[in-house]
Amino acid sequence: QVQLVQSGSELKKPGASVKVSCKASGYTFTTYGMCWVRQAPGQGLEWMGWINTNTGNPTIAQGFAGRFVFSLDTSVSTAYVEISSLKAEDTAVYYCARLFCSGATCWFDFWGQGTMVTVSS
Amino acid sequence: QSVLTQPPSVSAAPGQKVTISCSGGSSNIGNNYVSWYQQLPGTAPKVLIYENNKRPSGIPDRFSGSKSGTSATLGITGLQTGDEADYYCGTWDGGLSAGVFGGGTRLTVL
Repeated sequence: QVQLVQSGSELKKPGASVKVSCKASGYTFTTYGMCWVRQAPGQGLEWMGWINTNTGNPTIAQGFAGRFVFSLDTSVSTAYVEISSLKAEDTAVYYCARLFCSGATCWFDFWGQGTMVTVSS
Repeated sequence: QSVLTQPPSVSAAPGQKVTISCSGGSSNIGNNYVSWYQQLPGTAPKVLIYENNKRPSGIPDRFSGSKSGTSATLGITGLQTGDEADYYCGTWDGGLSAGVFGGGTRLTVL
């Protein structure tokens, strides 16, 4: 069965960096893209972007360019998002979600359990 | 401010039917398929509807989706207390290779 298992909660100080992982199992990792979605406390879902797991090419949404980096380690079927120069407003739950595409459309068919990142001094 | 507009909340009694709307424009919903996601309290989102009106296996037929022009609708019949959750619409812009979500709608089953 398809599973996306994310790394545990993180508590970081402003200005630090954090790297969140998302380990996939139950399917061929490079067949589907991987998306990242942010959910600030009490807020809705915000699409951060996605990474093509076959080519490693990332697409980062406006508002996330600069401090957010998507990466892969295909040898262990794992996707990562690294956030640098953390700010208090980066405090959120970060989800990975598998991108299932059919023809011209895509949707997010499996989700990780989420990783809470708290930025506080 | 989300690109797709949903009502912040809806409510209905157990056993009743509710609809949740999702409004966009020609650059998103108008030219792309819509998906819907359910987020139960404290859990990750789960896909309910994809390609406007298709249900993944395991999703009961109490959940339905439709789209007309630049708007989409999620319908839930036979409401149960376990349906209390936040519901999000989403779409994929194939031209931009980008996703977008609505702001979410909280369903209360009174």
